[in-house]
Amino acid sequence: EAGVTQFPSHSVIEKGQTVTLRCDPISGHDNLYWYRRVMGKEIKFLLHFVKESKQDESGMPNNRFLAERTGGTYSTLKVQPAELEDSGVYFCASSQAYSGETQYFGPGTRLLVL
Amino acid sequence: GQQVMQIPQYQHVQEGEDFTTYCNSSTTLSNIQWYKQRPGGHPVFLIQLVKSGEVKKQKRLTFQFGEAKKNSSLHITATQTTDVGTYFCAGDLWGSNYKLTFGKGTLLTVNP
Repeated sequence: EAGVTQFPSHSVIEKGQTVTLRCDPISGHDNLYWYRRVMGKEIKFLLHFVKESKQDESGMPNNRFLAERTGGTYSTLKVQPAELEDSGVYFCASSQAYSGETQYFGPGTRLLVL
Repeated sequence: GQQVMQIPQYQHVQEGEDFTTYCNSSTTLSNIQWYKQRPGGHPVFLIQLVKSGEVKKQKRLTFQFGEAKKNSSLHITATQTTDVGTYFCAGDLWGSNYKLTFGKGTLLTVNP
């Protein structure tokens, strides 16, 4: 069974540019989560989808971040315009039908904003 | 502020020594999950603890969940070089809508 995949693995952009991260969860997993780890800090929750609906987006830093999950399969996280403090590793995780299940993490996207 | 504290932040041991990392939450947890992240890698699920006082073992790893469901520990017996990495606890706080709150992690290095 394929795991959670994320694209791209790395992204280097300039301040003010736009970047879109993609996450493909494990097939059949209704729950999809986005997390972020800023250098030297703990991994922090950004938001949670159940199928195509946003269940909880309390961790989204500001309105420069937009997450979508059209059709309830893969998800995208767009940062527009990117700022220096957005640099970090963005992880996606998925879990099965009901919340509270084990979350399986993808390899992450390492974003560097210059 | 951070609600799941994890200590120590770093631990260096000689191969064969034991290692323990501790997590403490300011609020009761629904469950706690442990992850291991190798250098340059991503968090890999190790185990989930749900019941008060639960103890689970995976070979040389022993995981405990406190009676009050506010603290947890991971103990590795006789460390090996393959144990190197950062160990994270992640708590599912009651009422948090199942989002995980991570500790800062403990970076374990093992001297062969």
